[in-house]
Amino acid sequence: EADIYQTPRYLVIGTGKKITLECSQTMGHDKMYWYQQDPGMELHLIHYSYGVNSTEKGDLSSESTVSRIRTEHFPLTLESARPSHTSQYLCASRQGAYYGYTFGSGTRLTVV
Amino acid sequence: GDSVTQMEGPVTLSEEAFLTINCTYTATGYPSLFWYVQYPGEGLQLLLKATKADDKGSNKGFEATYRKETTSFHLEKGSVQVSDSAVYFCALSDLAQGGSEKLVFGKGTKLTVNP
Repeated sequence: EADIYQTPRYLVIGTGKKITLECSQTMGHDKMYWYQQDPGMELHLIHYSYGVNSTEKGDLSSESTVSRIRTEHFPLTLESARPSHTSQYLCASRQGAYYGYTFGSGTRLTVV
Repeated sequence: GDSVTQMEGPVTLSEEAFLTINCTYTATGYPSLFWYVQYPGEGLQLLLKATKADDKGSNKGFEATYRKETTSFHLEKGSVQVSDSAVYFCALSDLAQGGSEKLVFGKGTKLTVNP
């Protein structure tokens, strides 16, 4: 049973469109993360948050932006989608340092 | 900085074969270690973890032992099933990294088990 939810699961959208990928968790975790997963499976951290009103850029430069207005909600926005943004996006949250991440099911984005 | 190196795949086995996926790490502190599994079309699921040296994590027939002397956390299973076909990721969390709580992942190993 998933405690972290991502919508939509699949999205096909045209170039130049603005999109928001939703991520919500019901566990009360302060720490949340966004990863981009390339076709070769490797995970790249693009954004993270340590709590409300806290957002940081990750290790991989991304044109996306995030916000954290509520503990449970960590949406990712692309202002103008491009084919290079085609990828799987995974959201995760974490209880604390000795715990692993809990991942959502992911959003597979295709920009045509 | 911290890093995780896991064996490159893909790995293809027959059902009931023995599985080993090697994972070694570099860390400045005393990391916690994790194995995640990703089934096709899904997100990652925590498979097992170990938080200190000599700890053994186990779940669903999979095991891994935290070996500080060899900086390793190899994943093993005695008899794989077709349903174990997935991508496996080794990861670490190092509290010594200034309080950073990001997990560092390996590149993933794809396992295919044939009937």
